Amino acid sequence: KNQVEQSPQSLIILEGKNCTLQCNYTVSPFSNLRWYKQDTGRGPVSLTIMTFSENTKSNGRYTATLDADTKQSSLHITASQLSDSASYICVVSRKTSYDKVIFGPGTSLSVIP
Amino acid sequence: EPEVTQTPSHQVTQMGQEVILRCVPISNHLYFYWYRQILGQKVEFLVSFYNNEISEKSEIFDDQFSVERPDGSNFTLKIRSTKLEDSAMYFCASSEGRLADSYEQYFGPGTRLTVT
Repeated sequence: KNQVEQSPQSLIILEGKNCTLQCNYTVSPFSNLRWYKQDTGRGPVSLTIMTFSENTKSNGRYTATLDADTKQSSLHITASQLSDSASYICVVSRKTSYDKVIFGPGTSLSVIP
Repeated sequence: EPEVTQTPSHQVTQMGQEVILRCVPISNHLYFYWYRQILGQKVEFLVSFYNNEISEKSEIFDDQFSVERPDGSNFTLKIRSTKLEDSAMYFCASSEGRLADSYEQYFGPGTRLTVT
């Protein structure tokens, strides 16, 4: 079954600290993996898109990694800020499904002063 | 910067009534989507639309749902006879190309639908 799982479910960190969020997927055949940031009550905003051949991609303080062999991805946030408080969602596309993507449940991150 | 817009931001309706949620995708985009997110749950795909027809839909998108691009700018989701369980945030999204080809997808701010 094509699924995306994320851990932890929620995380609280101090402002300025780093953190890493995990995503595991069983989606096949794999096309790409996206990380989105979703503020409460808002639409998701894209952070990174990674294809099979990419194993690291950065976007400012966000760095995503992908291991297509183990079907795992991580999102590392460096020097966290209060504005990083949001849900971070891992989304996977299949090669055989051009437009339908599979969302993970998200990790809720709270950055506290 | 171009953005996807949605109206209304909040819609309250009675069970059994029809609702139409409206979206204006980014102007040069060709692929359009509707998603829903029940409070506290994950985002769920409903339907994708390309070249004036549905390209994919999920099991959730049953006969009570329909989509339409009535003119060159609007993209609508109609729920014919709303049920309590349709209460959710509905997101519209658009992209220049197919998501499987790694095109960026842009989401609107959402419409919160409350069915009473």
